[in-house]
Amino acid sequence: GAVVSQHPSWVICKSGTSVKIECRSLDFQATTMFWYRQFPKQSLMLMATSNEGSKATYEQGVEKDKFLINHASLTLSTLTVTSAHPEDSSFYICSASPGLAGEYEQYFGPGTRLTVT
Amino acid sequence: QKEVEQNSGPLSVPEGAIASLNCTYSDRGSQSFFWYRQYSGKSPELIMSIYSNGDKEDGRFTAQLNKASQYVSLLIRDSQPSDSATYLCAGGGNNRKLIWGLGTSLAVNP
Repeated sequence: GAVVSQHPSWVICKSGTSVKIECRSLDFQATTMFWYRQFPKQSLMLMATSNEGSKATYEQGVEKDKFLINHASLTLSTLTVTSAHPEDSSFYICSASPGLAGEYEQYFGPGTRLTVT
Repeated sequence: QKEVEQNSGPLSVPEGAIASLNCTYSDRGSQSFFWYRQYSGKSPELIMSIYSNGDKEDGRFTAQLNKASQYVSLLIRDSQPSDSATYLCAGGGNNRKLIWGLGTSLAVNP
């Protein structure tokens, strides 16, 4: 149980284009989903928290107009990197939390490796 | 600033030994704690969650929580080379966010 999928697993795009990453909880409903970014040999960095049907809450320093998050349903959240630049190249990972009262586990997708050329 | 601290390691243990990973946290309001394992180039995988003081065992893994000392640990018995990874400690924060430690690198030597 508690499986989260992410698509695509890797993507290469040209500078200035946009990329959409999908995150799905396959066997549970996710009240809350999270988007992280991780650079090589660095720790996880939380980018934003999204609740179904609400606007995402972005962490300080994360540009909301550049990283568009849509949590359309209890099983799907998308992250769109707009006008991507080489410095956006990173490992993007989503996680989902079932949202049961008092339980805060996050289950991670396999991640999307983005390379911007 | 709420923090979770871990020794970055690397922690090196021989195969078959017990690996002991430790974590301290600053937020006394945190009620839930998690250990994740992350292999190089992969996403984190939840291996243990603990909510109450004391020990929680799952197979070769035992998580220990001491809220008075604000201390969480993970013991891995009969360590295997496949356990070599970075282990992330996290504590529950506000709005379901987790406060993450920077991780401890574990190397199990055959």
